[in-house]
Amino acid sequence: GQSLEQPSEVTAVEGAIVQINCTYQTSGFYGLSWYQQHDGGAPTFLSYNALDGLEETGRFSSFLSRSDSYGYLLLQELQMKDSASYFCAVSWGSQGNLIFGKGTKLSVKP
Amino acid sequence: DGGITQSPKYLFRKEGQNVTLSCEQNLNHDAMYWYRQDPGQGLRLIYYSQIVNDFQKGDIAEGYSVSREKKESFPLTVTSAQKNPTAFYLCASRVAGEAYEQYFGPGTRLTVT
Repeated sequence: GQSLEQPSEVTAVEGAIVQINCTYQTSGFYGLSWYQQHDGGAPTFLSYNALDGLEETGRFSSFLSRSDSYGYLLLQELQMKDSASYFCAVSWGSQGNLIFGKGTKLSVKP
Repeated sequence: DGGITQSPKYLFRKEGQNVTLSCEQNLNHDAMYWYRQDPGQGLRLIYYSQIVNDFQKGDIAEGYSVSREKKESFPLTVTSAQKNPTAFYLCASRVAGEAYEQYFGPGTRLTVT
């Protein structure tokens, strides 16, 4: 079956750096995506890794190691508005559907 | 402005009633999806459609039904057969060929008592 594991909660202070890990088990893997969701809101796409390595988008970076079935999202210079849930999602199969992890709730403290 | 709309934002129903959730997009996307989200849980796929007049069951389709008569619209009906219908329902769409990036609507929070 398909499964993704990520920590349920992470707490950090403003200005700090935080890393949210994601391990996955899936067949027909195409890539790993990250989404952000504020409480009561819609998920929004942050980044995508199809190949091994680091992708950087402003304060956010995402990393993938296909051989280790592992990825992470790195958030730098944390701001209060970064308090949200972060989901990793695997693209798999010919239909291109996404399987989501259960999410990591990030709390940024002053 | 292009985007996905879902209505209503909050919906209350009595047990035993069917209810239809609306999802409309003007992004000209071919693929559309319905997800269910429960507290502390990820998004679970209910149904998806890659093209008009065609749709497939996702992981938790029991007790739900959909239609895709127009490219822009993908309504979800929560039937009385769904044992635990109270949840946050999210509709999404994506561009063909970019499977990794889905665009989500604001969601409908359904409460059944």
